[in-house]
Amino acid sequence: QLQLQESGPGLVKPSETLSLTCTVSGGSINSRSHYWGWVRQSPEKGLEWIGIISYAGNTNYNVSLKSRVSMSVDPSKSQFSLRLSSVTAADTAVYYCARIPLTGQGYYFDYWGQGTLVTVSS
Amino acid sequence: QSVLTQPPSVSAAPGQRVTISCSGSSSNIGNNYVSWYQRLPGAAPKLLIYDNNKRPSGIPDRFSGSKSGTSATLGITGLQTGDEAEYYCGTWDSSLSAWVFGGGTKLTVL
Repeated sequence: QLQLQESGPGLVKPSETLSLTCTVSGGSINSRSHYWGWVRQSPEKGLEWIGIISYAGNTNYNVSLKSRVSMSVDPSKSQFSLRLSSVTAADTAVYYCARIPLTGQGYYFDYWGQGTLVTVSS
Repeated sequence: QSVLTQPPSVSAAPGQRVTISCSGSSSNIGNNYVSWYQRLPGAAPKLLIYDNNKRPSGIPDRFSGSKSGTSATLGITGLQTGDEAEYYCGTWDSSLSAWVFGGGTKLTVL
């Protein structure tokens, strides 16, 4: 059974960079049939798509966050990561990592991590 | 304000049927496939429906999805107390070049 687990600091200071890692187990991150992505949820904005990355490092980011977001993948560790710079209180949210299969007719998220709460506060 | 519009809440009695609507536009639902997610309290979202009306393995046929024009609907029959959760629709928005979600609907099984 595929499992995804987010990890990273739960508290980040304003103007600093949020860094999270998602570890994939029970399956391979080296797949041409899947992308890997990040979604966050806050009471103010609901569910918000952050972006996706392929095992080869191809990315697609939400344009509203594009200037601050970067994602990377480390197949040797079965991990992919999110960095969000210049954070503000508006970036406080539960951050989920998820898998996106490319085998259907459309895109969707078929496996999700448990989510990790990141609070931006001094 | 979410791009996709869902009712904030719905309720029904055990054993009954409920539907949850998701309204969008031609740039999202109208020209892309819709998926639905269930988020039980304290849990991660779980895929219920993909490609408008397909169920992943392990999802009971009590859950169904449909799409017509710029709206989609999630149907749940034979309601159980364990179905109490938040339900979200999602799809790609070609104008925004972004994946978008509905605001979520809280289902209460009375």
